[in-house]
Order: sequence, then C-alpha cells, then structure tokens
Amino acid sequence: LAKTTQPISMDSYEGQEVNITCSHNNIATNDYITWYQQFPSQGPRFIIQGYKTKVTNEVASLFIPADRKSSTLSLPRVSLSDTAVYYCLVGDLGTGANNLFFGTGTRLTVIP
Amino acid sequence: SQTIHQWPATLVQPVGSPLSLECTVEGTSNPNLYWYRQAAGRGLQLLFYSIGIDQISSEVPQNLSASRPQDRQFILSSKKLLLSDSGFYLCAWSADFSYEQYFGPGTRLTVT
Repeated sequence: LAKTTQPISMDSYEGQEVNITCSHNNIATNDYITWYQQFPSQGPRFIIQGYKTKVTNEVASLFIPADRKSSTLSLPRVSLSDTAVYYCLVGDLGTGANNLFFGTGTRLTVIP
Repeated sequence: SQTIHQWPATLVQPVGSPLSLECTVEGTSNPNLYWYRQAAGRGLQLLFYSIGIDQISSEVPQNLSASRPQDRQFILSSKKLLLSDSGFYLCAWSADFSYEQYFGPGTRLTVT
C-alpha cells in the first residue's frame, strides 16, 4: 500500500491557481494516482487520474514528475465553490482492495 | 447516464437495533459496488465491495454485513448497532474494479 502525504489544509483567494501536492515515496510500478473532491455531507467526486507526466481535463490538471514520488493537482482560477476536501489515492487494485484508502485529504478553503 | 441512489438520507437508531441501508444503481449493468463509512472528521474507510451478485468481500471485521441480491442493488445491514457504527455511509459504483468510482449521496447514521 503506497502511503500518501498531503497538507492538512490550504487557503486560496478566488481567481488564483491552486496546486495541491501529494507525496507517495513508495509508489509501485503498477500504481495509478487518483484525485477526488468532497463537499460537506456529499460523497466524493472523481476528478482526475494519471500514471505519469501530465493529464488535463475540463476540471483540473495532474502533474506527475518522472520519478512519480509525488503528484500535484492543479485547479485553475478557483472559485468559492471549489472549497472542499481533496483526496489523493495511490495504488493498484489488482493487488487488492486494501489499496482503496482515502486518508484525511487536504481541506481547501477559497477566500473571496 | 448512470445514477446511484441511497436511502434513507438520515437515520437515528438506538443501540442494539437492526440496520438496513440500500443502494441502487441505474444506467449500467454488472457494476462493481462498494460500501464506505466516514466517521466525523475522518477519511473514508472501505467496508465491503462486490464484483457480482452474491460476491461480497469484506475489508474490515465488524458487526456489519452486506448483500447483493440483484445486479444493481447493494444492501448494508446489521443485526445490532453499536455506538461506534455512527457515521456517514457511502455507496459507490465503478465500471470495473478501479479507482474511478462514482458515489451516492450518502446516509448519515446516528446511533444513540
């Protein structure tokens, strides 16, 4: 199980780009990196997933360096509605469901 | 499009009473289904997952059980609730056994 480390909380002003970094030093060869967003009293929402380099979709970008020991979720021009908890998951479910582990995530607060 | 339903939305039950939470998925067939629990201020804990009818895997020993009587129905049960069973229960589905999961709205259970 690849352990992940994220900042507990972050603050950002509206309109700024926010980068949330996740450390996963013992990531395995077959592991993917997945990010979720969770609003209070709601289920998490899948944001983005990647294996290496850069992945971009309509919501966010995911940057993964060559050594894959960390990853950065980038949210462009955040708004107040982006205030949420963001989870980084790393693993390969082919080795078992114990890799489905959501830690406590990063609580992002967007300030007007 | 796919939709996932959970009910009830909130539930208050006394210690020692039984529990039945239901989750159904629409718009897909043979989904992988998951039950998670989130205690207050904590991350999500995977409780059960199912890759098919009557195929249930338990990840955490507890007084809860799960059943999948139909392809798109997943039920979480308990014969006698404990105070420690309080939490936010989330059902999720995925097209295959993967990190790309889609969560329902959740059930907030308070055991008194």
